[in-house]
Amino acid sequence: KQEVTQIPAALSVPEGENLVLNCSFTDSAIYNLQWFRQDPGKGLTSLLLIQSSQREQTSGRLNASLDKSSGRSTLYIAASQPGDSATYLCAVHQGGSEKLVFGKGTKLTVNP
Amino acid sequence: SAVISQKPSRDICQRGTSLTIQCQVDSQVTMMFWYRQQPGQSLTLIATANQGSEATYESGFVIDKFPISRPNLTFSTLTVSNMSPEDSSIYLCSVSFVGTGELFFGEGSRLTVL
Repeated sequence: KQEVTQIPAALSVPEGENLVLNCSFTDSAIYNLQWFRQDPGKGLTSLLLIQSSQREQTSGRLNASLDKSSGRSTLYIAASQPGDSATYLCAVHQGGSEKLVFGKGTKLTVNP
Repeated sequence: SAVISQKPSRDICQRGTSLTIQCQVDSQVTMMFWYRQQPGQSLTLIATANQGSEATYESGFVIDKFPISRPNLTFSTLTVSNMSPEDSSIYLCSVSFVGTGELFFGEGSRLTVL
């Protein structure tokens, strides 16, 4: 059974700092991995999608990496801003299944 | 990407009643899913909504409690039946397209059962 773990559960940083969020998964037979952002009481916004054959994806100040063999992904946020404050969720799409398995998320607070 | 509209965005309901949540997508999508997010928890897949046939439910979820319809490629409904306070959650509709498998989510429907 696939399990997804995100560390840390919460993170508070000053504005301008670069930071890394971690995601690990137990079964490396994944189809892809997706990072989402969720604002309080809202739905999920897709940030980055990494296919199993890819090593990383970039969008603006965000960079996500994937190491399938070790079951890890990281989300790097450069020059953080207060508007980045949200919960960041990692989810893996299991090969041969339509199911997405989610981690519990990292709650990020960027202080002005 | 896709624009996904959910109704209602929030509701407060009495124990024992039922509520139907609607999900409308602005383009034809391959897959539609319903997720639940209980307070302080991550997302759990309830079921895959299949066009013109019965939904495929995950372990722990049954059709009598969460009947789902998907009459066409752009619309689906989820009903939460005979509600109890334990059903208080955010219910989210999500869709994906053929190819990348990237998932997109609606804004969610926040349900509070008293």
